[in-house]
Amino acid sequence: GAGVSQTPSNKVTEKGKYVELRCDPISGHTALYWYRQSLGQGPEFLIYFQGTGAADDSGLPNDRFFAVRPEGSVSTLKIQRTERGDSAVYLCASSPGPPLVNEQFFGPGTRLTVL
Amino acid sequence: AQSVTQLDSHVSVSEGTPVLLRCNYSSSYSPSLFWYVQHPNKGLQLLLKYTSAATLVKGINGFEAEFKKSETSFHLTKPSAHMSDAAEYFCVVTLYSSASKIIFGSGTRLSIRP
Repeated sequence: GAGVSQTPSNKVTEKGKYVELRCDPISGHTALYWYRQSLGQGPEFLIYFQGTGAADDSGLPNDRFFAVRPEGSVSTLKIQRTERGDSAVYLCASSPGPPLVNEQFFGPGTRLTVL
Repeated sequence: AQSVTQLDSHVSVSEGTPVLLRCNYSSSYSPSLFWYVQHPNKGLQLLLKYTSAATLVKGINGFEAEFKKSETSFHLTKPSAHMSDAAEYFCVVTLYSSASKIIFGSGTRLSIRP
């Protein structure tokens, strides 16, 4: 079956612009996660959805970052007033339940470059 | 505080020889532990997981890991390396069901020499 997909695969934008990154999870997966991976580092947790609600958004670095999952499926990560330091690969993952014991299935990521 | 340390940023072994990728964790409570692999230009894939059952965990592609509470370690091993094992490996620790406590290590790049 289809895995987690993310669009776009690459996004180049200018400092100060607004961007949206989309994640399509595996059908039926209730949990969805966003991570940010900088070069040479492991993924850094941003936000976790259980269904439509953000169960934990403590990883969002500041109020320029926001994510939604209005129907409990597709999620969009929104970044306002982008900064060069936002450049990274943004990963999305989904799982059939909470993270303690459930495997996360990762998408290929969106590489964001802020010029 | 919870943390995970991958002791080697890069490991290089010859094809057919054993692989050891080291991971140590710090947690006040019993954690769940995972190893994920990331091949170039591909998504992260689960290799194996420990969730308080058997301490020796077998995963895909011949990998296994042993949870040692006394040493707070969860090292990944494979008896015989294959060229296709070349990738980045991440040790991950989670605590209860709090997603914010999902901590990835900084990764170990495994290279395989012919």
